[in-house]
Amino acid sequence: TQLLEQSPQFLSIQEGENLTVYCNSSSVFSSLQWYRQEPGEGPVLLVTVVTGGEVKKLKRLTFQFGDARKDSSLHITAAQPGDTGLYLCAGELITGNQFYFGTGTSLTVIP
Amino acid sequence: GAGVSQSPRYKVAKRGQDVALRCDPISGHVSLFWYQQALGQGPEFLTYFQNEAQLDKSGLPSDRFFAERPEGSVSTLKIQRTQQEDSAVYLCASSLEAGSGTVTDTQYFGPGTRLTVL
Repeated sequence: TQLLEQSPQFLSIQEGENLTVYCNSSSVFSSLQWYRQEPGEGPVLLVTVVTGGEVKKLKRLTFQFGDARKDSSLHITAAQPGDTGLYLCAGELITGNQFYFGTGTSLTVIP
Repeated sequence: GAGVSQSPRYKVAKRGQDVALRCDPISGHVSLFWYQQALGQGPEFLTYFQNEAQLDKSGLPSDRFFAERPEGSVSTLKIQRTQQEDSAVYLCASSLEAGSGTVTDTQYFGPGTRLTVL
C-alpha cells in the first residue's frame, strides 16, 4: 500500500522553467526522503527532512517538510535537461518502522 | 564494486516458471531490502533482512515469493510459478546500520532486475 500520493504524476516542461512536486499523506511520518531515479537504475537519495516545517536546499532544489509532517514538496528552479527523471518521496511512519515510497513524479525537461 | 549489484539485469520467464534474483549488497551493510516497482510507479516494500534474519516479510504478495540471506551477505529473491502480474523491476537496497530504513540509515539501491513474465 502506497500511503504517499505524489502530484503531478507526469510533468513536461521547458528548460529554465520552475516546477513544484507535491507529496501528500493522511499519515504522520517521522522523516521524509526524496529520491531521483533514472531509467535502468535504482533510486538515489537527494535529501532527508526530519523536522516539521524544515526547509533544505540543494543547489537549485528546495525541499520542505510540512508542519504536521504529513506532506512535503520539492521545488526546482530553472530546470535543466539533467533534472529529467522519476522523483520519489519516501518516508517512515511515526507509528512503526515500515518504509513507504510515494507514487512517483516523472519529470521531463525539454532543451 | 563499491555499490549494490543485482543479477540478472533482465529476466524473461514463461508463465509458471520459477525464477531466482540475486542481490550483492555493499560489503559490511547489515540491512537488506527488496522492493517491487511497476513501470512509472514508486517501489513497494517486499521484505527486510538484518544480517541473516528476515525481520519483516509483510510485503511479499503471495506464498510464491520467498527470500533468503543465509550468510548475512548475498540475498536471493525466488518467485515460484511466475504469473504475468509478477512482471516488474525488483530492486534491492542495503544500508549500513541495523534498522528498517530509519532516517539515519541511508539505503543504497542496486540497478534492479527487470522481470518479464510471458
